[in-house]
Amino acid sequence: DQQVKQNSPSLSVQEGRISILNCDYTNSMFDYFLWYKKYPAEGPTFLISISSIKDKNEDGRFTVFLNKSAKHLSLHIVPSQPGDSAVYFCAASARTGNQFYFGTGTSLTVIP
Amino acid sequence: DTGVSQDPRHKITKRGQNVTFRCDPISEHNRLYWYRQTLGQGPEFLTYFQNEAQLEKSRLLSDRFSAERPKGSFSTLEIQRTEQGDSAMYLCASSLFGDSYEQYFGPGTRLTVT
Repeated sequence: DQQVKQNSPSLSVQEGRISILNCDYTNSMFDYFLWYKKYPAEGPTFLISISSIKDKNEDGRFTVFLNKSAKHLSLHIVPSQPGDSAVYFCAASARTGNQFYFGTGTSLTVIP
Repeated sequence: DTGVSQDPRHKITKRGQNVTFRCDPISEHNRLYWYRQTLGQGPEFLTYFQNEAQLEKSRLLSDRFSAERPKGSFSTLEIQRTEQGDSAMYLCASSLFGDSYEQYFGPGTRLTVT
């Protein structure tokens, strides 16, 4: 049973525009969330996190929004750059941080 | 320290053979995780250690899989009697529990069982 879902397998965005990647989860016990970026033949690279005590967290061009009532989070990248082209995974965990559940990923292509 | 390292990066083996992978975490990190990733999927949790203690194992981890972390430093993941279904990317990650929950991944070991 997939507890973390990324329903868009791919997304294409023009350079300079906003990229919005979405993630839904089913387990109400999840209260810590991570976003990772992955290039081919490399391990995932940590991007940004958010805990359930917040509804927004920013780090440079990256902002994550959390809507607990909808069990939904999103990653905004503004402005998008060609180097952002990669697969993006969201991951969720209960507060123990023991085990993270990952979504299936969204492949982002930023078109120059 | 430049991050999490894994060795080998690629392994091709014949069905029925045993394989062992190594992970060296970021030196000050006390938690170490193993994940498996197949094509089109996100990483799936296998097991994790806090220092040298193996605290949790996934139901995915059959008895052909064993992991160790002697002395709480590097870790090894062994797969005995490999099967074609074991072909995957095996990822190691580490974190500093008590500071934050962010996990930092290594480059992975790509296993192909023929």
